[in-house]
Amino acid sequence: EPEVTQTPSHQVTQMGQEVILRCVPISNHLYFYWYRQILGQKVEFLVSFYNNEISEKSEIFDDQFSVERPDGSNFTLKIRSTKLEDSAMYFCASGARGGNQPQHFGDGTRLSIL
Amino acid sequence: GQSLEQPSEVTAVEGAIVQINCTYQTSGFYGLSWYQQHDGGAPTFLSYNALDGLEETGRFSSFLSRSDSYGYLLLQELQMKDSASYFCAVRDQVQAGTALIFGKGTTLSVSS
Repeated sequence: EPEVTQTPSHQVTQMGQEVILRCVPISNHLYFYWYRQILGQKVEFLVSFYNNEISEKSEIFDDQFSVERPDGSNFTLKIRSTKLEDSAMYFCASGARGGNQPQHFGDGTRLSIL
Repeated sequence: GQSLEQPSEVTAVEGAIVQINCTYQTSGFYGLSWYQQHDGGAPTFLSYNALDGLEETGRFSSFLSRSDSYGYLLLQELQMKDSASYFCAVRDQVQAGTALIFGKGTTLSVSS
């Protein structure tokens, strides 16, 4: 069964550094998402991407965050100047269509900011 | 704004039936979804209800009452592997998009 893949599985970075989290969504999906989950807390929406542009973003997704789909397969999340509070699990998800279609999540990237 | 309430923890024994409730507050409504998460891994889609009533998928069923802003996930014939966190979720109403807003999750512990 096709799946969403994310790399790296764990990223450790010094505060203030830039990080790029990578995702390969399911190939025929059109909707792409980033979510984050701080340890022990709920999954929080960051941003959605459709038709090569951001379609929605949450209050968390401020100017330090950006997303890109540099080619036909990858979907990246960049955090420009990391802060301690950015430490979390970051999940990429994709969906075939919008609406009630299920979103398929990757295994996540655990980001640790030191 | 939107909010979802679900119990933080539920415990049960193997073979039992457990119900995880979810109440929501939204300005509009596009359906209630349920996701399972094992040990902080990838959330996995379980079910979706857009209309009132019961949806059954094997051992799992999900119910929705739009008039009560309430739904539940019913897990039957519990197995040890069902020990996980279960999240209810609604679509983001503010931007009328497809993003999911999750509840805080219910940790289910199944014992033998």
